[in-house]
Amino acid sequence: LAKTTQPISMDSYEGQEVNITCSHNNIATNDYITWYQQFPSQGPRFIIQGYKTKVTNEVASLFIPADRKSSTLSLPRVSLSDTAVYYCLVGERGYQKVTFGTGTKLQVIP
Amino acid sequence: DAGITQSPRHKVTETGTPVTLRCHQTENHRYMYWYRQDPGHGLRLIHYSYGVKDTDKGEVSDGYSVSRSKTEDFLLTLESATSSQTSVYFCAISTGDATYEQYFGPGTRLTVT
Repeated sequence: LAKTTQPISMDSYEGQEVNITCSHNNIATNDYITWYQQFPSQGPRFIIQGYKTKVTNEVASLFIPADRKSSTLSLPRVSLSDTAVYYCLVGERGYQKVTFGTGTKLQVIP
Repeated sequence: DAGITQSPRHKVTETGTPVTLRCHQTENHRYMYWYRQDPGHGLRLIHYSYGVKDTDKGEVSDGYSVSRSKTEDFLLTLESATSSQTSVYFCAISTGDATYEQYFGPGTRLTVT
């Protein structure tokens, strides 16, 4: 299972775009990149998943360069309600023993 | 909403007592998981199930056992609770579709005194 490295914490002002980068240098050919969001006192929530290039949904965008050794979760125009911990996971689809790590704690400031 | 409930939501118990946490789902998903979350450690997988009576160990399975006698219920048992098992426990299910996205329950806060 590919090891991931992401910043422990980030601060951002409301209305700004936030980019959280995850490093995964030993990503394997069959691995996908998945991001989850966790609010205090709640379980994580799936945000987005991708394999290469760019994926966008109503919540976020995921940018993956050609070498796939890193990925960037982009949150457009954050609000206070985006304050949460964001986890980057790398592994094969269907691999059950996923590792969440400690994630990136995003604090959105008014 | 993936129809996941956990019971109890809060529990305080004494060291050495057995404890069983229940995870219930209403949508017959194949995969179910138990995680614990502690400050500084993120979420760590305890056990998971890939079908009735089919379970496997996760990263931190020592001191825990699980059972799944029917699709909708996944039980986590602490045979003899210790203070190191004080934690928030999350149950999750996976639809097993293209993304293997996991849906999490509300969590159970367990305190072992």
